[in-house]
This record gives sequence, structure tokens and C-alpha cells, in this order.
Amino acid sequence: DVKVTQSSRYLVKRTGEKVFLECVQDMDHENMFWYRQDPGLGLRLIYFSYDVKMKEKGDIPEGYSVSREKKERFSLILESASTNQTSMYLCASSLMGEVKRERWADTQYFGPGTRLTVL
Amino acid sequence: QKEVEQNSGPLSVPEGAIASLNCTYSDRVSQSFFWYRQYSGKSPELIMSIYSNGDKEDGRFTAQLNKASQYVSLLIRDSQPSDSATYLCAFSGTYKYIFGTGTRLKVLA
Repeated sequence: DVKVTQSSRYLVKRTGEKVFLECVQDMDHENMFWYRQDPGLGLRLIYFSYDVKMKEKGDIPEGYSVSREKKERFSLILESASTNQTSMYLCASSLMGEVKRERWADTQYFGPGTRLTVL
Repeated sequence: QKEVEQNSGPLSVPEGAIASLNCTYSDRVSQSFFWYRQYSGKSPELIMSIYSNGDKEDGRFTAQLNKASQYVSLLIRDSQPSDSATYLCAFSGTYKYIFGTGTRLKVLA
């Protein structure tokens, strides 16, 4: 079974604090992702990484940074937390698959999520 | 135009009935399609992946893919109250995934 774990289920921080969210996967997946999910807005991609030390901006990277020093671990950093970053944060990982000799992102597995509240 | 369209619902079905969830997408190139179930306050969990045109069955769930018409559907047979959740469809590109906003399903006991 694929397992994706996140460091905290619930987190409360104050405005201006630096916040670290950790994600670890145990299936040797190449790709890792950070999303946030807000009511009515669906899943929005913050950053993703397709290899160690590689990172790519998603749709809403502002106010966030990431780190991937090891294949199994992908960290999301809120440099200076703000109240509009209160959200559910979801980490995910996936392998690359091959369909018709082309490489595609295969099934994505999610961690349990971290509900972050910034006061 | 949104890349993935789902009816937000709620879709209400009686216990034991078939629930039919639909999703249309705009990317003609994508090869991989997914259905996830998400309970309130929890993370999405994979129900099924589908890559080829046609039907794919797994227990009470059947996914149907029609690439020519650009839609993917999920049928849930013998619906149970525990199936009440939001169902997300998604497709993938080279690295990224496009998710719908989900259809909320209510199974009435």
C-alpha cells in the first residue's frame, strides 16, 4: 500500500510566523505535490517536484516555497504566514506511467492533509 | 472554459440504487483519468484509474471513458449511505493533474 504521511493533522500559527509542513512518501515515487483546498475553490496546486532538488511552480505559488532534498520528502514552507493562508493543505505523490509509449503522470495518492489555521 | 466540468450536485439517490456521476474534460491529449472520493474534512482517496476507452469495473464501481466525446463517468451500484461523499474526477498531463470541483453525492437510507 502506498503511504503518504504529513507531519501534522491540525496546526495553529500566528500571523508572520514561518511555518513548515512536511510530507513523506514510502513508495519511491518520482513526483510530489502540494495543494491547498478551500470550499468552493477545489484543489489548487501550489508547487510540485518531479525529482530530487527539482521544483516547479503550480497555480498559486505566491507566499510559499518548497524543498526536496530527498526523494521521499517534500516540504512546504510559508515564509510569513498570513490569515488568507488558512486552509487544508494536501500533499500527494505519484509515479510516472507510460501510455502509448508516452510518459504521463500516473495515479496520484494523497496524504491525510493538514488543516492550518493562521490567527 | 473550465478544463474539467462536473455537476456540483448534490445528487441524491435512494439506498440500493445506481448513482451515476459524470465529468467532461477539454484536453484531447490526456491519457490518464481518475476518480477520487472525498469525505468531508478528509483527503481524496482513489477509487479508480482508467486509461482506455470503455468500461472498467471494480466491485460496485464502474468507470466509463469515452475519449471521442471527452467524458468519463462513474457508476456506483447498490449505493450505500457510506458512499455519501464528494467525488472528484481528474486527468493528468506530463506531470500535473487537473481536478474537477467535485459532485456531492447523498445516499438516502
